Amino acid sequence: NAGVTQTPKFRILKIGQSMTLQCTQDMNHNYMYWYRQDPGMGLKLIYYSVGAGITDKGEVPNGYNVSRSTTEDFPLRLELAAPSQTSVYFCASSSAPSTARGEQYFGPGTRLTVT
Amino acid sequence: ELKVEQNPLFLSMQEGKNYTIYCNYSTTSDRLYWYRQDPGKSLESLFVLLSNGAVKQEGRLMASLDTKARLSTLHITAAVHDLSATYFCAVAGGTYKYIFGTGTRLKVLA
Repeated sequence: NAGVTQTPKFRILKIGQSMTLQCTQDMNHNYMYWYRQDPGMGLKLIYYSVGAGITDKGEVPNGYNVSRSTTEDFPLRLELAAPSQTSVYFCASSSAPSTARGEQYFGPGTRLTVT
Repeated sequence: ELKVEQNPLFLSMQEGKNYTIYCNYSTTSDRLYWYRQDPGKSLESLFVLLSNGAVKQEGRLMASLDTKARLSTLHITAAVHDLSATYFCAVAGGTYKYIFGTGTRLKVLA
């Protein structure tokens, strides 16, 4: 059981470039999330999705876009990369937070550097 | 707006000692989660606390939830080096979101 997978694991971008971070989960979770974690800090929510075709902004959405065409996949798009987007990006999924356990399962992360 | 605060932010302790990490949150929630993050790694779930008075234990770690006080504690008993990590609490902020605390970086000294 793979859980939540993310690609790539590492990436270096030049300022102004764009890229897509991939996230896939095989647990049939409706809820998926993208977080960023800056060095020594906690997690900040970028975007989340409650099901295919439904996405919404989190705390820090500027400079990012998402889509959710399937239950399994939740890619994060960075447009016009800036040094401030240097961070570690985690994708997570969960069953509905209001039912059952609702804990999140995290992917291994993508370490992104923008120079 | 739901805010989650953890203290201490950093904790250095000797092996064999006991200590408690605190997680306070600002608005009503009956679901609280504890996660562990090793350096350079992802987060893994430790405990899920779903009701007032809930207590969960795993090895040397015990977590509890007091929803009336809006407080959760993570108690470490007889710490060992392998417990060195960053610990996060997260509170369910409504139907869809989780709000994370700032994390407590624990270092257990041999």
